Amino acid sequence: DAGVTQSPTHLIKTRGQQVTLRCSPISGHKSVSWYQQVLGQGPQFIFQYYEKEERGRGNFPDRFSARQFPNYSSELNVNALLLGDSALYLCASSTGQRGELFFGEGSRLTVL
Amino acid sequence: AQSVTQLGSHVSVSEGALVLLRCNYSSSVPPYLFWYVQYPNQGLQLLLKYTSAATLVKGINGFEAEFKKSETSFHLTKPSAHMSDAAEYFCAVRVFYNQGGKLIFGQGTELSVKP
Repeated sequence: DAGVTQSPTHLIKTRGQQVTLRCSPISGHKSVSWYQQVLGQGPQFIFQYYEKEERGRGNFPDRFSARQFPNYSSELNVNALLLGDSALYLCASSTGQRGELFFGEGSRLTVL
Repeated sequence: AQSVTQLGSHVSVSEGALVLLRCNYSSSVPPYLFWYVQYPNQGLQLLLKYTSAATLVKGINGFEAEFKKSETSFHLTKPSAHMSDAAEYFCAVRVFYNQGGKLIFGQGTELSVKP
């Protein structure tokens, strides 16, 4: 069975631009969470979605937004990119709101 | 607030030596604790988890961790290090809220294994 898949794997943007990252959960999983991992640090929670609704939000500015689609896939959008947004963005899926998390390989964003 | 602290950002051991990676937690409720491993340019892989059953938890690749409430610790050990164990290790605590849950991670410990 396929695990959590994320795209793109790598991308480069310039300051002020917008980016969309995509995540497909494991088949049968209805919850998707997003984490940001800055180089040299542990991942930090951004969002959790379950059944297409936001269920939790971390301490990130409004430039960060996300949504979940009827097929349970998800997109993370970041507007007005800053240099500090350069990071590995990890998506995780789980069967339910409180289930065990399974992580994807991540999307590495570089902002120049 | 729940949190985890990993002592030592970098640990170096010789191949065949004991691996000990330290994690202390802060929690006002019985914690759900996890250890994850991250190889270069990859995502997170679950090594093991503590969910209030046995205090000694065995995971994959020969790793194990012991939950010690009196010391608020959940240290990760492996009796004999392999070169393939070189990676970044993260301790995490699961925090539940009304409609879901999230992981709070420590800063990570980079494990180097010398031949």
